[in-house]
Amino acid sequence: KNEVEQSPQNLTAQEGEFITINCSYSVGISALHWLQQHPGGGIVSLFMLSSGKKKHGRLIATINIQEKHSSLHITASHPRDSAVYICAVSPNTGNQFYFGTGTSLTVIP
Amino acid sequence: DGGITQSPKYLFRKEGQNVTLSCEQNLNHDAMYWYRQDPGQGLRLIYYSQIVNDFQKGDIAEGYSVSREKKESFPLTVTSAQKNPTAFYLCASTMGRFNQPQHFGDGTRLSIL
Repeated sequence: KNEVEQSPQNLTAQEGEFITINCSYSVGISALHWLQQHPGGGIVSLFMLSSGKKKHGRLIATINIQEKHSSLHITASHPRDSAVYICAVSPNTGNQFYFGTGTSLTVIP
Repeated sequence: DGGITQSPKYLFRKEGQNVTLSCEQNLNHDAMYWYRQDPGQGLRLIYYSQIVNDFQKGDIAEGYSVSREKKESFPLTVTSAQKNPTAFYLCASTMGRFNQPQHFGDGTRLSIL
């Protein structure tokens, strides 16, 4: 069983489009994380949130704790946004992180 | 600049050989983690350590070993008992426990010769 599910698995967009990536989870959590993995393999933490909404530049992350759902939005997408976006959760049990399988985003000029 | 350094970037293992992947951090983080990433799968936890001289097994610890002799360092040894070691290995750290943002290294890609 997978505690964290992401959709879509793959996404291709034209430059400038608004993009949404979804994440659903099945466990109680203390925090949810959005990560970005570039083709070279290194991973960067974009957001950690436990309620509401956070914004950083063109990226917006929202979470609905009651529905166990989070979304990552990218406004005015750009080819440099092409990467794998990974959703992860910190469960209330506090003994490890659970990771989704990632959404591979390609933004075409 | 603070961060996590993994080395080498690429590593090749011969049959029956143990290899060690290095992970060093200068973030003064207490907790460190090793993950394995395979195509189409989420990151899977191999081992984690919350303090020096202490570490716990993750979901896929068989065939791996670690040490935590210094706060800054958390090397991972892939032993000959790990029959399918080809994967991308990521080291990470957090300030405290599992509800903190993780900082990741750039990874080591391990292949079999």
